[in-house]
Amino acid sequence: RKEVEQDPGPFNVPEGATVAFNCTYSNSASQSFFWYRQDCRKEPKLLMSVYSSGNEDGRFTAQLNRASQYISLLIRDSKLSDSATYLCVVNPIGNQFYFGTGTSLTVIP
Amino acid sequence: ETGVTQSPTHLIKTRGQQVTLRCSSQSGHNTVSWYQQALGQGPQFIFQYYREEENGRGNFPPRFSGLQFPNYSSELNVNALELDDSALYLCASSLPPGRITDTQYFGPGTRLTVL
Repeated sequence: RKEVEQDPGPFNVPEGATVAFNCTYSNSASQSFFWYRQDCRKEPKLLMSVYSSGNEDGRFTAQLNRASQYISLLIRDSKLSDSATYLCVVNPIGNQFYFGTGTSLTVIP
Repeated sequence: ETGVTQSPTHLIKTRGQQVTLRCSSQSGHNTVSWYQQALGQGPQFIFQYYREEENGRGNFPPRFSGLQFPNYSSELNVNALELDDSALYLCASSLPPGRITDTQYFGPGTRLTVL
């Protein structure tokens, strides 16, 4: 079983739509969770950390459900510039980040 | 920009050759991790260096090796290159491991093509 599994995608949504990505992880001892964004042929960039209480940053909301070992990212009012691959990342305390395969989002005019 | 730099940006090698990739970490970060990202996949952890020693390793063969220097910069060496080694190699720097809110910041990567 993979450490991190994400929605397969791709997601193609119109501008202004709300879109949600889901991710599950297998290691119940995991302590840190993140969403990274990766543009085509570029490096991953931190979008937001995910906290147990959930957190929001503008149009982006991240949720963590430890009981179900599940992480989500909600994007409201999608912009063309949101088109990218979104990577779910899980880190048990220590050294190794586990990445999902990524979910591709295309926002259509 | 994260302040993490990598060189070279692109590299073409042939099977059986050896390659060295370099990374300079963000100021204040003493931990460097290396990842391999094949096309259409998420990054896969190769290993991490902290205080000039390997501090964890993913599922990669011994022909993948590394170094960290006193200034926290790092090298990734790959011997006996195989076609499947073609990928984007990413370096990420962070604060010391073990912090719950540890975050990794990535460099732009080195794109390696093995022919």
